[in-house]
Amino acid sequence: DAGITQSPRHKVTETGTPVTLRCHQTENHRYMYWYRQDPGHGLRLIHYSYGVKDTDKGEVSDGYSVSRSKTEDFLLTLESATSSQTSVYFCAIGIQGGVEPQHFGDGTRLSIL
Amino acid sequence: EDKVVQSPLSLVVHEGDTVTLNCSYEVTNFRSLLWYKQEKKAPTFLFMLTSSGIEKKSGRLSSILDKKELSSILNITATQTGDSAIYLCAAGGTSYGKLTFGQGTILTVHP
Repeated sequence: DAGITQSPRHKVTETGTPVTLRCHQTENHRYMYWYRQDPGHGLRLIHYSYGVKDTDKGEVSDGYSVSRSKTEDFLLTLESATSSQTSVYFCAIGIQGGVEPQHFGDGTRLSIL
Repeated sequence: EDKVVQSPLSLVVHEGDTVTLNCSYEVTNFRSLLWYKQEKKAPTFLFMLTSSGIEKKSGRLSSILDKKELSSILNITATQTGDSAIYLCAAGGTSYGKLTFGQGTILTVHP
């Protein structure tokens, strides 16, 4: 299994609070991705990173920010959580963008009340 | 806008049946088509198809890429209850390995 750890695994919080999810990899892969998974939508890309301090937006980036200060860590922040951000969040890593498959962490289930 | 559509969205079969899952894609600068299986947690990688590898097989599972029709199929023969899962199709272009996923097909295999 790819060495990807997501934390926390579950979180319940209230609307308006900030939330940070962490993705940690031990594979030294260059590319890292954050997705959310909702019923009927499959996985949708939120943000991605192609190196330390190099990040860009995906298709559903509104309300989210990311940071990557080290190769192994990719943080996803919800500055002010809303109920529409209740979802399961997956982190993925990749060796070479598009040439090798991405591998996924076990996900974080986030509920915003 | 890149788009991937899977069909059917759900499928119920009995053990021993053969199933075919479909995936169509519209992706700028297409590079690869991937299939993942998702049980309770992380999606796990099954196949990756590219221009240089349009057919893959592993045990009872096989997949074909039709570049002309911009589609792919995933076949599972002699299904088992352990095949019950969500099957995700994703297509990627040449931009940073980003993937666009379909909605997924929920496969349920009854004994």
